[in-house]
Amino acid sequence: DVHLTQSPSFLSASVGERVTITCRASQGISSFLAWYQQKPEKAPKLLIYSASILQSGVPSRFSGSGSGTEFTLTISSLQPEDFATYYCQQFNFYPLTFGGGTKVEV
Amino acid sequence: EVQLVESGGGLVQPGGSLRLSCVASGFTFNNYAMSWVRQAPGKGLEWVSVVTGRHGTPTYRDSVEGRFTMSRDNSKSTTYLQLNSLRAEDTAIYYCAKGVEAAIAPDAFDLWGQGTLVTVAS
Repeated sequence: DVHLTQSPSFLSASVGERVTITCRASQGISSFLAWYQQKPEKAPKLLIYSASILQSGVPSRFSGSGSGTEFTLTISSLQPEDFATYYCQQFNFYPLTFGGGTKVEV
Repeated sequence: EVQLVESGGGLVQPGGSLRLSCVASGFTFNNYAMSWVRQAPGKGLEWVSVVTGRHGTPTYRDSVEGRFTMSRDNSKSTTYLQLNSLRAEDTAIYYCAKGVEAAIAPDAFDLWGQGTLVTVAS
């Protein structure tokens, strides 16, 4: 199985800050990586597809980069509605796997 | 409206069974692979199974292989997950999720249902 390691697990930040979350894969997955945002009691929401493609309707302050084994999600200027948990997911190999999550809090 | 609506969760004893359903609307259902993803209370996301669009071929994670069966009925725009021999560790919210690109699997997920809670306890 492809293991995805997210760092950090928790991130304390303020509104307006630039935030970067890293996802490392245990083996190469090309660009088959997605990022999701999940708020409490809600289903996950797709933010980024294929490592760097911004999903329709997602604000441009979100961006993704990377390929192979190392990927990043960047929020250029954190907004109050961005406090949530973020997950990466690889879709190159079965079983599909998710990272452990990064909780972004005040 | 483009949406997925799950049903069928509940409380079941260890060793019991449940059947989850997910009804899709607002898109051409048979073009897309559909997955089930679960989330144990307070934990992260775990992919469970996928069924391809046209041929309905299922693939499972090892821990549910032989116990869970995923299927789809394209005429009803519905996917199902039959859960047998349930264990306490299967307790989770179960989400159905739609693949991003038509006729592609594996894939990421651009549409999720609201989830249905399965609790396995005596």
